Amino acid sequence: AQSVTQLDSQVPVFEEAPVELRCNYSSSVSVYLFWYVQYPNQGLQLLLKYLSGSTLVKGINGFEAEFNKSQTSFHLRKPSVHISDTAEYFCAVNLANDYKLSFGAGTTVTVRA
Amino acid sequence: DTAVSQTPKYLVTQMGNDKSIKCEQNLGHDTMYWYKQDSKKFLKIMFSYNNKELIINETVPNRFSPKSPDKAHLNLHINSLELGDSAVYFCASSQGGRDTDTQYFGPGTRLTVL
Repeated sequence: AQSVTQLDSQVPVFEEAPVELRCNYSSSVSVYLFWYVQYPNQGLQLLLKYLSGSTLVKGINGFEAEFNKSQTSFHLRKPSVHISDTAEYFCAVNLANDYKLSFGAGTTVTVRA
Repeated sequence: DTAVSQTPKYLVTQMGNDKSIKCEQNLGHDTMYWYKQDSKKFLKIMFSYNNKELIINETVPNRFSPKSPDKAHLNLHINSLELGDSAVYFCASSQGGRDTDTQYFGPGTRLTVL
């Protein structure tokens, strides 16, 4: 079984400041990793995903994440946030050869002017 | 064009009633899902269908019954609604249900049971 831990439940940040959202997973087999964003009153949409290859993954809206196998982490970063980045961010894991996506508890990012 | 749509967007009902939520995707995907998001925003898979065949059936009360008339539709019927069923229900779809596939989510249905 796999589990996903998002270490920060809430992250307040000022506009144009950098942000990092932490995600750790536990699994004894290969995994595929995802970050989804949920804007207020909307469904989730994919920011980026790591399947294989380069451990630094670039996504939409200026976000990137780095897969670190030894630390079992997949932290999400953005160098300069906008007010419009205010949202809920979910890290998710899918075991290789499994159909199920397991989500972390989410991190609420609030960007202030 | 909306990729994954759900109706209704809001549903307020009394305990004990039976209700349905409909989901349609126009992406041509083979796999569809239902998720429940609780008040703490925790998301949990409930069901998944691939080409109208049930492939994931998590530990969900049997009051919940998914129905897939074709691969573009996955409806959720709930019998004898309880207070604890209040949540946001999301439908999603993916190309093939593979472990690497991106899932596309609908806007959600907020169910309130009084």
